[in-house]
Amino acid sequence: QVQLQESGPGQLKPSETLSLTCAVSGGSVHSARYYWSWIRLPPGKPLEWIGYAYNSGSTNYNPSLKGRVTMSADTSKNHISLSLKSVTAADTAVYYCAGSPIDPRIAALSFLDWGQGILITVSS
Amino acid sequence: DIVMTQSPLSLVVTPGEAASISCRSSQSLLRTNGYNYVDWYLQKPGKSPQLLIHLASIRASGVSDRFSGSGSGTDFTLKISRVEAEDVGVYYCMQGLQTPPTFGQGTKLEIK
Repeated sequence: QVQLQESGPGQLKPSETLSLTCAVSGGSVHSARYYWSWIRLPPGKPLEWIGYAYNSGSTNYNPSLKGRVTMSADTSKNHISLSLKSVTAADTAVYYCAGSPIDPRIAALSFLDWGQGILITVSS
Repeated sequence: DIVMTQSPLSLVVTPGEAASISCRSSQSLLRTNGYNYVDWYLQKPGKSPQLLIHLASIRASGVSDRFSGSGSGTDFTLKISRVEAEDVGVYYCMQGLQTPPTFGQGTKLEIK
């Protein structure tokens, strides 16, 4: 299992861009053996998958975020980044980084490893 | 997107008793390889979610055998054979058949 640690600003204003990083230890973000996802938990709502980065270049995003999201993997720092543009109060949530080991025979996206999460509040 | 509907949304259980949570999907989660792409997660108070069950019935490493998953197609169940105080939290089912993966609303389990 890998260890994940999220970091970021904690609070920002509407229309700003949220930038988060997820430090990965015990594994490589360049590995073809893991999907690296961001998932959020808004207050009073269920978990929502934001997207994943894979093998340093490939990404897959939730269409619900309508082009506001960008993820990338930095192999030199071994971390995953999340950028979410034009935030509103609806983006207030606990944001988690999660790792999914890949079994090509099964091709399942199960979230085995989770960071501790970071609370992001959007407020003017 | 595939919609996941859990029931009940709240559960109060006496320690030692069994508990059951149902999850229904808006379309079949059975792939031609024979696997159902459903996971169950538990989020304990103040903690990150943890994977309990994947592919509908396979317990994740280190998960107590008091937890079991069953079902196929669109109807799935998580059972806890003998609830303990440490089982409190919110349980989520999730489909991984299609992206985006989607979660149920969550079922909050409390101890009586």
